Amino acid sequence: ETGVTQTPRHLVMGMTNKKSLKCEQHLGHNAMYWYKQSAKKPLELMFVYNFKEQTENNSVPSRFSPECPNSSHLFLHLHTLQPEDSALYLCASSQDYPGARGYTFGSGTRLTVV
Amino acid sequence: DQQVKQNSPSLSVQEGRISILNCDYTNSMFDYFLWYKKYPAEGPTFLISISSIKDKNEDGRFTVFLNKSAKHLSLHIVPSQPGDSAVYFCAASGTYKYIFGTGTRLKVLA
Repeated sequence: ETGVTQTPRHLVMGMTNKKSLKCEQHLGHNAMYWYKQSAKKPLELMFVYNFKEQTENNSVPSRFSPECPNSSHLFLHLHTLQPEDSALYLCASSQDYPGARGYTFGSGTRLTVV
Repeated sequence: DQQVKQNSPSLSVQEGRISILNCDYTNSMFDYFLWYKKYPAEGPTFLISISSIKDKNEDGRFTVFLNKSAKHLSLHIVPSQPGDSAVYFCAASGTYKYIFGTGTRLKVLA
């Protein structure tokens, strides 16, 4: 399978639940990203991993916990979320410097916190 | 402080006519600018990019123009087709990450 694959596509969770989002890429890219897309807001960068090392945490609350065990896999662990965390969570990958080529995005996980 | 702005949340264009989507930015250090297209229930897909040292890049029906003095870029789609109906995001690159605008929803009317 090629491209960036995100699972699950949809997730509904209660505020006390713990769940994880998974992202996998088979493009040979070295950098992976989590973005959050909320209605009427820009895509917000959450985390950046480059060669498995976290290079950016964009002031994300600790209830979001990323994990990057290798350059092909990225997880976002969720616990005690709030309703305002409901959004589309997008994973992306790129060569270490995306430049003119851009990211390759997954299809996203639509998260609803109830 | 939003560094990349798309001031038009939506745009409707007749099929066959030109669609012009606009984007403004504030940081003169950005080195690449990109446009992404997003259909519902899918992730954004890369459409076209332009280097900060150029003022125009063309790919088929899509042309991106960059006006550095005005810190403005635009995407022209000619002719517009119903399949172009989507949300378009502009993005600006500074090192290893992109900063995105809020998107413009384009609707091409048949």
